[in-house]
Amino acid sequence: NAGVTQTPKFQVLKTGQSMTLQCAQDMNHNSMYWYRQDPGMGLRLIYYSASEGTTDKGEVPNGYNVSRLNKREFSLRLESAAPSQTSVYFCASGWAVSNQPQHFGDGTRLSIL
Amino acid sequence: DQQVKQNSPSLSVQEGRISILNCDYTNSMFDYFLWYKKYPAEGPTFLISISSIKDKNEDGRFTVFLNKSAKHLSLHIVPSQPGDSAVYFCAAISGGSNYKLTFGKGTLLTVNP
Repeated sequence: NAGVTQTPKFQVLKTGQSMTLQCAQDMNHNSMYWYRQDPGMGLRLIYYSASEGTTDKGEVPNGYNVSRLNKREFSLRLESAAPSQTSVYFCASGWAVSNQPQHFGDGTRLSIL
Repeated sequence: DQQVKQNSPSLSVQEGRISILNCDYTNSMFDYFLWYKKYPAEGPTFLISISSIKDKNEDGRFTVFLNKSAKHLSLHIVPSQPGDSAVYFCAAISGGSNYKLTFGKGTLLTVNP
């Protein structure tokens, strides 16, 4: 009964380092999403994948890249980490139907020094 | 431009009383609204939703009301319990936007025993 699994749960990086956040879902959902949550800002969409093989930018895509590896997995990559990317990152999956809610993982806490 | 607004950062109520969380939106294209609940160090979990063609949806202790003319929705929790203490996010979705969620900034609800 895993749902959406994110790894790692915590990570500390130095400015300029690269990192890939992993996300996998076992609900056979078509769509997957990456959000970031900053204090007082709610959740903001970084990138999403409406279906396997497609990816699109969200509200705050700068500094990130994504890969939809297969139907289950959607990764988020920081090529050159910056302190402004310190945040909690959430992956979600869903059916891309209005009356079916997205399901979220427990997040990755990322600190960039 | 914030399309979904939760103007109360926090709310404190006594156990057994009603909690009312409010949300306003600006985008007339939103066709579904959702409430998510989030505990610390966990991902958001879906609570209740409402279609834009409805004005009320009820699920146990939780009721969501939608006033389309005022572009306002509210979540009522009756009776409130200490376990309801969490951050509540209002979110909206538009089918024309690939079902991306737009979140408010959240309201921290504290239910005092």
